[in-house]
Amino acid sequence: GAVVSQHPSRVICKSGTSVKIECRSLDFQATTMFWYRQFPKQSLMLMATSNEGSKATYEQGVEKDKFLINHASLTLSTLTVTSAHPEDSSFYICSARDPSGSSYNEQFFGPGTRLTVL
Amino acid sequence: GENVEQHPSTLSVQEGDSAVIKCTYSDSASNYFPWYKQELGKGPQLIIDIRSNVGEKKDQRIAVTLNKTAKHFSLHITETQPEDSAVYFCAAIKREYGNKLVFGAGTILRVKS
Repeated sequence: GAVVSQHPSRVICKSGTSVKIECRSLDFQATTMFWYRQFPKQSLMLMATSNEGSKATYEQGVEKDKFLINHASLTLSTLTVTSAHPEDSSFYICSARDPSGSSYNEQFFGPGTRLTVL
Repeated sequence: GENVEQHPSTLSVQEGDSAVIKCTYSDSASNYFPWYKQELGKGPQLIIDIRSNVGEKKDQRIAVTLNKTAKHFSLHITETQPEDSAVYFCAAIKREYGNKLVFGAGTILRVKS
């Protein structure tokens, strides 16, 4: 199957700083990527849909000015958590859809990034 | 919009026994139903999926069944092994929703050896 990577895998930052998380599709071009947040012992919550070359679509309740998404190329989407606060501490996971694959709907998930804000 | 409910929230089975996890969905137009396995500290991995034009799909010890009339689908794991222990999530998707996956709440599966 297709491979999606994330970097970094783990980050600890001070309150008020910004953190950038990268999501890459390694062996396919992803026109659409998705960003999820997962709190401990909970399910994945979709934050936004990232489309290459256009603005991201945010889910209700997600602050677009706080969670900046850039999908500048067909293999890279970035999520920047601006002015991070302890309540932003979470597991952030991206996924990508391979439009050339046999399954139009299948999404491939990255390994996740653990963000801890002190 | 779509809503997916998943049961049970936790499931403990003895090694070698079968495990069944059930999900129901609300939108009859949903047409793709994947199952993901998530190990601690890792991203979800697709283990099996089924489309609305199929009633059952099997891959070695894993099978998924779909009942469109009742709007529910189930994951069946046979001959469970300790390495099957993980959190399992079901999801549903409708293409017209922009391929947005709607996840169930997850099931913690513990396989006791």
